[in-house]
Amino acid sequence: NAGVTQTPKFQVLKTGQSMTLQCAQDMNHEYMSWYRQDPGMGLRLIHYSVGAGITDQGEVPNGYNVSRSTTEDFPLRLLSAAPSQTSVYFCASSTGLERTDTQYFGPGTRLTVL
Amino acid sequence: QKEVEQDPGPLSVPEGAIVSLNCTYSNSAFQYFMWYRQYSRKGPELLMYTYSSGNKEDGRFTAQVDKSSKYISLFIRDSQPSDSATYLCAMSGQTNFGNEKLTFGTGTRLTIIP
Repeated sequence: NAGVTQTPKFQVLKTGQSMTLQCAQDMNHEYMSWYRQDPGMGLRLIHYSVGAGITDQGEVPNGYNVSRSTTEDFPLRLLSAAPSQTSVYFCASSTGLERTDTQYFGPGTRLTVL
Repeated sequence: QKEVEQDPGPLSVPEGAIVSLNCTYSNSAFQYFMWYRQYSRKGPELLMYTYSSGNKEDGRFTAQVDKSSKYISLFIRDSQPSDSATYLCAMSGQTNFGNEKLTFGTGTRLTIIP
């Protein structure tokens, strides 16, 4: 299993540009999440999904869109990039079958918005 | 005030020492407590998981939860240079689906000096 994969690893955008961060998992996990990690702020939940076709907002959803058309993929879209969105983005997945379930994290995407 | 407080460090200790890492929290609804380890430029990986109050031991690692004080700890015995990483505490409350909504601390950066 490849686990959770994210592309790209690095990205530089200009203010106002849009882009999609890709996330895929091959573990047949129902639950997937997107987090951003900023110095001094820790990991903050952006959006999450409990299954294909179902998404919900996390703590910091503004400026981001998600959709979940398949179990495997959970892309994160930046609609109009802003410098405040410069961060490291992590995708995570879990089975969701038990409360003791482990969240598996991808390697992250480092995004810089100029 | 943040829901979860964690001293960011950095913390440097000599090899073989006992390391103590801590988090405090304010949300009484938190029932599930986790410690993640994150190596530089990698995604977090689950290290320890504890439900409610009590201790849990796994090899050189011991997790403690004191819900009455809203305080959790991670102890590392016989610390090794390979333990050098950032340690994140994470917590979640009663949700309908599982642990997809985690609240993280900011992380403590630990360096073990050979």
